[in-house]
Amino acid sequence: EIVLTQSPATLSLSPGERATLSCRASQSVSTFLAWYQLKPGQAPRLLIYDASNRAPGIPARFSGGGSGTDFTLTISSLEPEDFAVYYCQQRSNWRTFGQGTKVEIK
Amino acid sequence: QVQLQESGPGLVKPSQTLSLTCTVSGGSISSNAYYWGWLRRHPVKGLEWIGYIYYRGSAFYNPSLQSRVALSVDTSMNQFSLKLTSVTAADSGVYYCARLLAATALNPDSWGRGTLVTVSS
Repeated sequence: EIVLTQSPATLSLSPGERATLSCRASQSVSTFLAWYQLKPGQAPRLLIYDASNRAPGIPARFSGGGSGTDFTLTISSLEPEDFAVYYCQQRSNWRTFGQGTKVEIK
Repeated sequence: QVQLQESGPGLVKPSQTLSLTCTVSGGSISSNAYYWGWLRRHPVKGLEWIGYIYYRGSAFYNPSLQSRVALSVDTSMNQFSLKLTSVTAADSGVYYCARLLAATALNPDSWGRGTLVTVSS
Protein backbone atom coordinates (compact mmCIF):
# COMPACT_ATOMS: atom_id res chain seq x y z
CA GLU A 1 0.00 0.00 0.00
CA ILE A 2 1.22 3.49 -0.86
CA VAL A 3 1.31 5.68 2.23
CA LEU A 4 0.84 9.42 1.86
CA THR A 5 2.29 11.67 4.55
CA GLN A 6 0.99 15.20 4.76
CA SER A 7 2.72 18.10 6.49
CA PRO A 8 2.27 20.08 8.50
CA ALA A 9 -0.61 18.59 10.45
CA THR A 10 -1.89 22.09 11.18
CA LEU A 11 -1.17 25.36 9.45
CA SER A 12 -2.13 28.57 11.27
CA LEU A 13 -2.43 31.51 8.90
CA SER A 14 -4.34 34.75 8.44
CA PRO A 15 -6.68 35.60 5.55
CA GLY A 16 -4.67 36.94 2.63
CA GLU A 17 -1.60 34.87 3.45
CA ARG A 18 -0.15 32.16 1.23
CA ALA A 19 -0.61 28.53 2.26
CA THR A 20 1.72 25.77 1.15
CA LEU A 21 0.74 22.19 1.97
CA SER A 22 2.95 19.17 1.39
CA CYS A 23 2.18 15.56 0.52
CA ARG A 24 4.89 12.90 0.32
CA ALA A 25 4.32 9.41 -1.07
CA SER A 26 6.10 6.29 0.18
CA GLN A 27 6.86 5.41 -3.46
CA SER A 28 6.44 7.13 -6.78
CA VAL A 29 2.88 7.85 -7.86
CA SER A 30 3.96 9.70 -11.02
CA THR A 31 1.47 12.56 -11.26
CA PHE A 32 -1.52 10.49 -10.12
CA LEU A 33 -2.28 12.69 -7.14
CA ALA A 34 -5.37 14.69 -6.21
CA TRP A 35 -6.20 17.22 -3.53
CA TYR A 36 -9.52 17.55 -1.72
CA GLN A 37 -10.98 20.09 0.69
CA LEU A 38 -13.18 18.95 3.55
CA LYS A 39 -15.29 21.19 5.76
CA PRO A 40 -17.29 20.07 8.81
CA GLY A 41 -20.64 18.58 7.86
CA GLN A 42 -19.88 18.69 4.14
CA ALA A 43 -18.71 16.17 1.58
CA PRO A 44 -15.14 16.45 0.28
CA ARG A 45 -14.58 18.75 -2.68
CA LEU A 46 -12.12 17.93 -5.44
CA LEU A 47 -9.65 20.79 -5.96
CA ILE A 48 -6.80 19.36 -8.05
CA TYR A 49 -6.42 16.13 -10.01
CA ASP A 50 -3.36 14.57 -11.61
CA ALA A 51 -1.07 16.80 -9.55
CA SER A 52 -1.67 20.13 -11.25
CA ASN A 53 -5.07 20.20 -12.97
CA ARG A 54 -7.70 22.34 -11.32
CA ALA A 55 -11.11 20.70 -11.16
CA PRO A 56 -14.00 22.52 -12.85
CA GLY A 57 -15.14 25.56 -10.90
CA ILE A 58 -12.12 25.72 -8.60
CA PRO A 59 -10.67 29.24 -8.17
CA ALA A 60 -7.28 30.05 -9.65
CA ARG A 61 -5.81 30.74 -6.19
CA PHE A 62 -5.57 26.96 -5.77
CA SER A 63 -2.64 25.35 -7.55
CA GLY A 64 -0.92 22.00 -7.36
CA GLY A 65 2.53 20.81 -8.32
CA GLY A 66 5.01 18.00 -8.02
CA SER A 67 5.60 14.52 -9.37
CA GLY A 68 7.00 11.22 -8.20
CA THR A 69 6.91 11.35 -4.41
CA ASP A 70 6.69 15.04 -3.51
CA PHE A 71 3.68 17.25 -4.09
CA THR A 72 2.42 20.64 -2.96
CA LEU A 73 -0.91 22.39 -2.82
CA THR A 74 -0.64 26.16 -2.77
CA ILE A 75 -3.38 28.61 -1.92
CA SER A 76 -2.02 31.92 -3.10
CA SER A 77 -4.11 34.18 -0.87
CA LEU A 78 -6.36 32.63 1.75
CA GLU A 79 -10.04 33.54 1.68
CA PRO A 80 -12.21 33.04 4.79
CA GLU A 81 -13.92 30.05 3.15
CA ASP A 82 -10.57 28.29 2.61
CA PHE A 83 -10.06 27.41 6.27
CA ALA A 84 -10.67 23.67 6.21
CA VAL A 85 -8.91 20.32 6.15
CA TYR A 86 -7.06 19.32 2.98
CA TYR A 87 -6.33 15.77 1.90
CA CYS A 88 -4.11 14.39 -0.82
CA GLN A 89 -5.04 11.12 -2.56
CA GLN A 90 -3.08 8.92 -4.95
CA ARG A 91 -4.49 6.66 -7.67
CA SER A 92 -1.25 4.98 -8.79
CA ASN A 93 -1.86 1.83 -6.74
CA TRP A 94 -5.52 1.58 -5.85
CA ARG A 95 -6.43 4.85 -4.05
CA THR A 96 -5.27 6.01 -0.67
CA PHE A 97 -5.54 9.28 1.20
CA GLY A 98 -3.14 11.18 3.39
CA GLN A 99 -4.09 12.03 6.95
CA GLY A 100 -4.89 15.63 6.18
CA THR A 101 -3.62 19.13 6.92
CA LYS A 102 -5.86 21.50 8.83
CA VAL A 103 -5.63 25.12 7.74
CA GLU A 104 -6.86 27.22 10.64
CA ILE A 105 -7.26 30.91 11.25
CA LYS A 106 -4.35 32.41 13.17
CA GLN B 1 -27.68 19.27 -11.42
CA VAL B 2 -27.08 15.74 -10.25
CA GLN B 3 -27.84 14.84 -6.65
CA LEU B 4 -26.86 11.70 -4.77
CA GLN B 5 -28.53 10.44 -1.62
CA GLU B 6 -27.36 7.59 0.58
CA SER B 7 -29.89 5.45 2.41
CA GLY B 8 -29.70 2.49 4.73
CA PRO B 9 -29.57 1.53 8.39
CA GLY B 10 -27.50 3.69 10.68
CA LEU B 11 -26.84 0.86 13.12
CA VAL B 12 -25.50 -2.56 12.20
CA LYS B 13 -24.58 -5.39 14.56
CA PRO B 14 -21.09 -6.88 14.51
CA SER B 15 -20.65 -9.79 12.07
CA GLN B 16 -23.72 -8.71 10.07
CA THR B 17 -23.89 -7.14 6.61
CA LEU B 18 -23.92 -3.41 6.03
CA SER B 19 -26.14 -2.48 3.07
CA LEU B 20 -26.39 1.03 1.63
CA THR B 21 -28.05 2.38 -1.48
CA CYS B 22 -27.30 5.57 -3.37
CA THR B 23 -30.11 7.13 -5.36
CA VAL B 24 -29.07 9.37 -8.24
CA SER B 25 -31.37 12.16 -9.37
CA GLY B 26 -30.95 14.85 -12.00
CA GLY B 27 -28.88 12.61 -14.24
CA SER B 28 -28.68 9.11 -15.60
CA ILE B 29 -26.58 6.45 -13.96
CA SER B 30 -26.24 4.86 -17.40
CA SER B 31 -23.95 7.57 -18.78
CA ASN B 32 -20.60 6.44 -20.18
CA ALA B 33 -18.95 9.55 -18.72
CA TYR B 34 -19.12 8.40 -15.13
CA TYR B 35 -18.37 5.70 -12.65
CA TRP B 36 -20.10 5.46 -9.29
CA GLY B 37 -18.24 5.00 -6.05
CA TRP B 38 -18.32 4.57 -2.32
CA LEU B 39 -15.95 6.07 0.22
CA ARG B 40 -15.99 6.29 3.99
CA ARG B 41 -14.55 8.53 6.65
CA HIS B 42 -13.45 7.05 9.93
CA PRO B 43 -12.93 9.46 12.85
CA VAL B 44 -9.40 8.18 13.47
CA LYS B 45 -8.27 6.47 10.24
CA GLY B 46 -9.55 9.24 7.98
CA LEU B 47 -10.81 8.86 4.42
CA GLU B 48 -10.86 5.52 2.64
CA TRP B 49 -12.00 4.36 -0.79
CA ILE B 50 -14.26 1.32 -0.76
CA GLY B 51 -14.76 0.80 -4.48
CA TYR B 52 -16.37 2.03 -7.65
CA ILE B 53 -18.52 0.58 -10.41
CA TYR B 54 -19.52 1.29 -14.01
CA TYR B 55 -23.18 1.16 -14.94
CA ARG B 56 -22.58 -2.00 -16.96
CA GLY B 57 -21.39 -3.75 -13.82
CA SER B 58 -17.58 -3.79 -13.91
CA ALA B 59 -16.39 -3.02 -10.39
CA PHE B 60 -13.11 -2.18 -8.68
CA TYR B 61 -12.53 -2.76 -5.00
CA ASN B 62 -10.14 -1.69 -2.27
CA PRO B 63 -7.78 -4.69 -1.94
CA SER B 64 -8.06 -4.55 1.83
CA LEU B 65 -11.85 -4.89 1.65
CA GLN B 66 -12.21 -6.98 -1.48
CA SER B 67 -13.15 -10.20 0.30
CA ARG B 68 -16.06 -8.50 2.10
CA VAL B 69 -17.44 -5.92 -0.33
CA ALA B 70 -19.75 -6.03 -3.31
CA LEU B 71 -21.11 -3.16 -5.41
CA SER B 72 -24.06 -3.36 -7.76
CA VAL B 73 -26.04 -1.10 -10.06
CA ASP B 74 -29.78 -0.97 -10.73
CA THR B 75 -30.19 1.15 -13.84
CA SER B 76 -33.99 0.88 -13.76
CA MET B 77 -34.03 2.58 -10.37
CA ASN B 78 -31.05 4.86 -11.09
CA GLN B 79 -29.37 3.48 -7.97
CA PHE B 80 -26.20 1.75 -6.98
CA SER B 81 -25.54 -0.20 -3.82
CA LEU B 82 -22.89 -1.33 -1.38
CA LYS B 83 -22.79 -4.51 0.66
CA LEU B 84 -20.09 -5.03 3.26
CA THR B 85 -20.15 -8.32 5.09
CA SER B 86 -18.84 -9.40 8.49
CA VAL B 87 -18.64 -5.88 9.83
CA THR B 88 -16.77 -4.88 12.97
CA ALA B 89 -16.49 -1.65 14.92
CA ALA B 90 -13.68 -0.66 12.57
CA ASP B 91 -16.27 -0.33 9.81
CA SER B 92 -18.08 2.45 11.66
CA GLY B 93 -17.94 5.86 10.03
CA VAL B 94 -19.55 8.19 7.57
CA TYR B 95 -20.23 6.54 4.21
CA TYR B 96 -20.38 8.63 1.07
CA CYS B 97 -21.54 7.76 -2.40
CA ALA B 98 -20.05 9.73 -5.24
CA ARG B 99 -20.06 10.24 -8.97
CA LEU B 100 -16.66 9.81 -10.56
CA LEU B 101 -15.98 11.82 -13.67
CA ALA B 102 -13.85 10.20 -16.33
CA ALA B 103 -12.58 13.63 -17.43
CA THR B 104 -11.03 14.23 -14.02
CA ALA B 105 -9.27 10.89 -13.77
CA LEU B 106 -12.23 9.22 -12.08
CA ASN B 107 -12.13 11.55 -9.11
CA PRO B 108 -15.50 12.42 -7.59
CA ASP B 109 -17.19 15.57 -8.81
CA SER B 110 -20.45 15.07 -6.93
CA TRP B 111 -21.09 13.50 -3.56
CA GLY B 112 -23.94 12.52 -1.35
CA ARG B 113 -24.22 14.19 2.04
CA GLY B 114 -22.91 11.06 3.73
CA THR B 115 -24.60 8.70 6.14
CA LEU B 116 -23.31 7.72 9.56
CA VAL B 117 -23.06 3.98 10.15
CA THR B 118 -22.31 2.62 13.60
CA VAL B 119 -21.38 -1.00 14.15
CA SER B 120 -22.43 -1.98 17.64
CA SER B 121 -24.38 -4.67 19.43
